[in-house]
Amino acid sequence: EAEVAQSPRYKITEKSQAVAFWCDPISGHATLYWYRQILGQGPELLVQFQDESVVDDSQLPKDRFSAERLKGVDSTLKIQPAELGDSAMYLCASSPLGLQGGETQYFGPGTRLLVL
Amino acid sequence: GIQVEQSPPDLILQEGANSTLRCNFSDSVNNLQWFHQNPWGQLINLFYIPSGTKQNGRLSATTVATERYSLLYISSSQTTDSGVYFCAVYYNQGGKLIFGQGTELSVKP
Repeated sequence: EAEVAQSPRYKITEKSQAVAFWCDPISGHATLYWYRQILGQGPELLVQFQDESVVDDSQLPKDRFSAERLKGVDSTLKIQPAELGDSAMYLCASSPLGLQGGETQYFGPGTRLLVL
Repeated sequence: GIQVEQSPPDLILQEGANSTLRCNFSDSVNNLQWFHQNPWGQLINLFYIPSGTKQNGRLSATTVATERYSLLYISSSQTTDSGVYFCAVYYNQGGKLIFGQGTELSVKP
């Protein structure tokens, strides 16, 4: 069964450093999502791509976070500089079409970030 | 914005017991998904259920969209059912999933 791939699985960094996370969605899925999950809470959407275009980045802290999906396939999420409050699980998900009515989203294993 | 509330927040069961988890939402939604997050953090799809009832083995789910709630039933619970169960709704604008706070389930042998 096809899966969403993410790397690295774990990342420890010091504050003010730059970090980057990678996601490869299920083959053929047009829509890609990055979520952040703080311990004890549900995931919250950071950014949504439809192919290579951003369709929702309203919750992305754009002063330090950036995301790209240049060829409409895999994606990179970057934080620069990292802050202590960025410690969280970063989850990537994909869905086939990104339909307005919603469709099943499939999640990767996540990247657990710890900022010291 | 829409509010998604899950209850109970925590649940401890003995192996073999049954349980019902509830998800209430404050506005009309397009669709709803239930997930199980295992101890390693992986979110596993359980059900995509806009309305009606679905069953998959020992798990079943019912969504009554007109009354703005969904229920997840777990029968004959096993230790491997432990983890956090999330309800997430598709709000009317686009494919954005809004998650509840989760129910943390612990099944004891």
